[in-house]
Amino acid sequence: GENVEQHPSTLSVQEGDSAVIKCTYSDSASNYFPWYKQELGKRPQLIIDIRSNVGEKKDQRIAVTLNKTAKHFSLHITETQPEDSAVYFCAASDLEGGYQKVTFGIGTKLQVIP
Amino acid sequence: EAQVTQNPRYLITVTGKKLTVTCSQNMNHEYMSWYRQDPGLGLRQIYYSMNVEVTDKGDVPEGYKVSRKEKRNFPLILESPSPNQTSLYFCASSLRPKTVWPDSYNSPLHFGNGTRLTVT
Repeated sequence: GENVEQHPSTLSVQEGDSAVIKCTYSDSASNYFPWYKQELGKRPQLIIDIRSNVGEKKDQRIAVTLNKTAKHFSLHITETQPEDSAVYFCAASDLEGGYQKVTFGIGTKLQVIP
Repeated sequence: EAQVTQNPRYLITVTGKKLTVTCSQNMNHEYMSWYRQDPGLGLRQIYYSMNVEVTDKGDVPEGYKVSRKEKRNFPLILESPSPNQTSLYFCASSLRPKTVWPDSYNSPLHFGNGTRLTVT
């Protein structure tokens, strides 16, 4: 089955700096890579996703890159703000027996220091 | 408003006392699933359902049951809860992936608000 590793587990940055979270996956059949943000006490919510036929995607201050050959994908947050403080989960997804199987990383707790 | 609704939000129970956590979605999603979230372990899938009357085990199914009698509901049942099932539980739903050969287009998960379960 799929295995997703996520680094780092915790990350502290000064407000205005950039933050990068990296993930690797093991199953070359995975073709969809969503990122979820979970604020304290709340549900995970999708913030950005990328499909395997795309190398990079950007949405305002957040971007995701994908290297299919190396099986790496990363989340980049620029000009960080205190409201970016949360736990971020990467995930890899493929169709397994007709079902969309989603495997999550362990999460990265991002703290943005004002 | 499109949403996934879980109840209860908080639950404290004792070992062996059967309980049910309800989950309902109003987006007509085919797929529903249950996850548990534990520190250092991320989100792990317990059970999933591809459609009505179609359920299957996820990665950590031991001690749990589910049913999918209606498209909108997917309850999680703990027949005999134990302390190691103390966790934060999330229900999620999504559309069925679209397939346009040779590609498939998976859909993002929509999560409920979570149920924090404590078993003493």
